[in-house]
Amino acid sequence: AQSVSQHNHHVILSEAASLELGCNYSYGGTVNLFWYVQYPGQHLQLLLKYFSGDPLVKGIKGFEAEFIKSKFSFNLRKPSVQWSDTAEYFCAVNTNFGNEKLTFGTGTRLTIIP
Amino acid sequence: DTGVSQNPRHKITKRGQNVTFRCDPISEHNRLYWYRQTLGQGPEFLTYFQNEAQLEKSRLLSDRFSAERPKGSFSTLEIQRTEQGDSAMYLCASSLGGLNNEKLFFGSGTQLSVL
Repeated sequence: AQSVSQHNHHVILSEAASLELGCNYSYGGTVNLFWYVQYPGQHLQLLLKYFSGDPLVKGIKGFEAEFIKSKFSFNLRKPSVQWSDTAEYFCAVNTNFGNEKLTFGTGTRLTIIP
Repeated sequence: DTGVSQNPRHKITKRGQNVTFRCDPISEHNRLYWYRQTLGQGPEFLTYFQNEAQLEKSRLLSDRFSAERPKGSFSTLEIQRTEQGDSAMYLCASSLGGLNNEKLFFGSGTQLSVL
């Protein structure tokens, strides 16, 4: 069964700092990869997704993620964070053989200090 | 607002009681998902419907849990004989074309507390 690891549980950064959140998955086959974000008091929403093609994917609000197949990783990046990026970030994987199950990581809480 | 509506927002119940949650997906979405999230964890998949058919069920969904989507629109999740370990946020999501084509739209969840 697939699993997702997010090793950073809580990250604290100052505004304008660069961000990289780690995500590793364990599954040997083809995968679809996602980053979801949950802002305080709001529902989960999709930041970006990777299905195939260019391993560098761009999402909303200036976020991007790079799929490195050899490392089973899909790290999330943003060159300059803002206070409004304070949220919880979840990496998720779906194995690409027609099932509809998303397996989420435990999440990373990001706090941006103004 | 994503358009996925869940009721109630909060439910407090005593151990052993039955509870039922409702999810109203975005109206044209044919796929509906239930997830459960406990403190400090990511959402865990429970079950999935395509129209009224329940196509996938997690092993987490014990025989005390039952989900229905009778007319392919709203869905209910019932937990019988609740236990303290059932305390969690129950999330509903919907999509139009499934994970390979479309993103999931999540509701705000129902927070269950079992005393």
